[in-house]
Amino acid sequence: AQSVSQHNHHVILSEAASLELGCNYSYGGTVNLFWYVQYPGQHLQLLLKYFSGDPLVKGIKGFEAEFIKSKFSFNLRKPSVQWSDTAEYFCAVNKYGGSQGNLIFGKGTKLSVKP
Amino acid sequence: GAGVSQSPSNKVTEKGKDVELRCDPISGHTALYWYRQSLGQGLEFLIYFQGNSAPDKSGLPSDRFSAERTGGSVSTLTIQRTQQEDSAVYLCASSPMPSVASNGEQFFGPGTRLTVL
Repeated sequence: AQSVSQHNHHVILSEAASLELGCNYSYGGTVNLFWYVQYPGQHLQLLLKYFSGDPLVKGIKGFEAEFIKSKFSFNLRKPSVQWSDTAEYFCAVNKYGGSQGNLIFGKGTKLSVKP
Repeated sequence: GAGVSQSPSNKVTEKGKDVELRCDPISGHTALYWYRQSLGQGLEFLIYFQGNSAPDKSGLPSDRFSAERTGGSVSTLTIQRTQQEDSAVYLCASSPMPSVASNGEQFFGPGTRLTVL
C-alpha cells in the first residue's frame, strides 16, 4: 500500500536557522505531492505542491521543496526560519497520482522555532 | 469567498451515543473528503465523494461509521454507538473539478473535535 514517511517527529530550531524536513513516499507511479501546514489553532492550508515540470517548487512564505523521483522524496526547505513558522507540517501524496482521489498523509512534523 | 465549513466545532458525547458531523464544501467543488486526525497518528483518510456517490469508502474504520452527501454539496458523517477510540478531530476537505490549476489540491475545513467520554 502507498505510504508517506516523515522522518522527524519534532524539530526545534532557533530563528534564522535553515530548515529541511524529510518526506519519502512509496508509490511508484505518477504522483502529485503536497506540503500542508497547520499553524496553532488554525486549519490545514496548502504550502506548496508539485504535479509536473520543474522539480524545485516554490511555495508561500519562502518555503520550497524538491521532488527527486529516483529517491521518492519531496523534502521541504527554508533557508532561514522565523518564529512564525512554528507549526505542524504534513507531506501528502495523491493516492491515484491524478487530480482526484484522497491524499495519503505522513504523520506530520512539528516545528518549534525559538525566538 | 467562503471556505469549507464544518459543524459543530466541538462535540462531547457519551460512549454509546450516535453523533452527526456536518461539512459544507466550497460552492461548486465536486469532490469531498473526510479525514480523521488523531494525536500522533497524522491524518487518516475515511471516505471520498465525487458528487453524491462515494467511489472510495475504504478508510471507514467500522460499520459504525457512515457518510452521505446530498445535492452534490453538504455531507454528513455519522458515527453510531460511539467509542472512546473515536475521539479525534474530523476534517472535511473539498476540491474542484480536475484542472491544470487544481491538480488534486484539497481545501480543508477547521474540523470538528469529537470527544467521547
